[in-house]
Amino acid sequence: AQSVTQLGSHVSVSEGALVLLRCNYSSSVPPYLFWYVQYPNQGLQLLLKYTSAATLVKGINGFEAEFKKSETSFHLTKPSAHMRDAAEYFCAVSDWDSNYQLIWGAGTKLIIKP
Amino acid sequence: DVKVTQSSRYLVKRTGEKVFLECVQDMDHENMFWYRQDPGLGLRLIYFSYDVKMKEKGDIPEGYSVSREKKERFSLILESASTNQTSMYLCASSRDGFTEAFFGQGTRLTVV
Repeated sequence: AQSVTQLGSHVSVSEGALVLLRCNYSSSVPPYLFWYVQYPNQGLQLLLKYTSAATLVKGINGFEAEFKKSETSFHLTKPSAHMRDAAEYFCAVSDWDSNYQLIWGAGTKLIIKP
Repeated sequence: DVKVTQSSRYLVKRTGEKVFLECVQDMDHENMFWYRQDPGLGLRLIYFSYDVKMKEKGDIPEGYSVSREKKERFSLILESASTNQTSMYLCASSRDGFTEAFFGQGTRLTVV
């Protein structure tokens, strides 16, 4: 069965530092991969998605993620954190085995220190 | 601007009440979903629907039912609310499994 693992329920970085949020998935077939962001008391919105085109995917707000098949990873990065990036981030995967239903990670709360 | 609208942002209901959570999308999407979100547990799928009058159970359907009489509207029903159903409920829609899901703002339900 598919699964998504996000390493670290909370990640804390200083403003201006590199942001790295980790996501590993299990899938026996080529997956579709997504990162969503949830600001406090709001719904989720799409940051970026991988759908078998370029392995390096650029998203909104300066975020990007790289699909690495050999590592079954889809880590999210941003070169320089801003206070406004404080939010919860969710990784999700869908593929043929899940009937293209989204399988969600547990989420990582990003904390930005001044 | 595409939209998924949930009828209430905050609700407080009493134990045993029948509760209706409404969700409307304006994108003509086939798929609609109801999730429950609790701290540390991520998003858990309650029910989803691929078409009008069609519904499928998700991972945690117990204590819930749904209704989809029109393509744009997907309702979640708590037949007899209990305190363990206190949670954030998120509605989403998508065109298909290959494209992104769009989410509503969420309904924070408290059952007392």
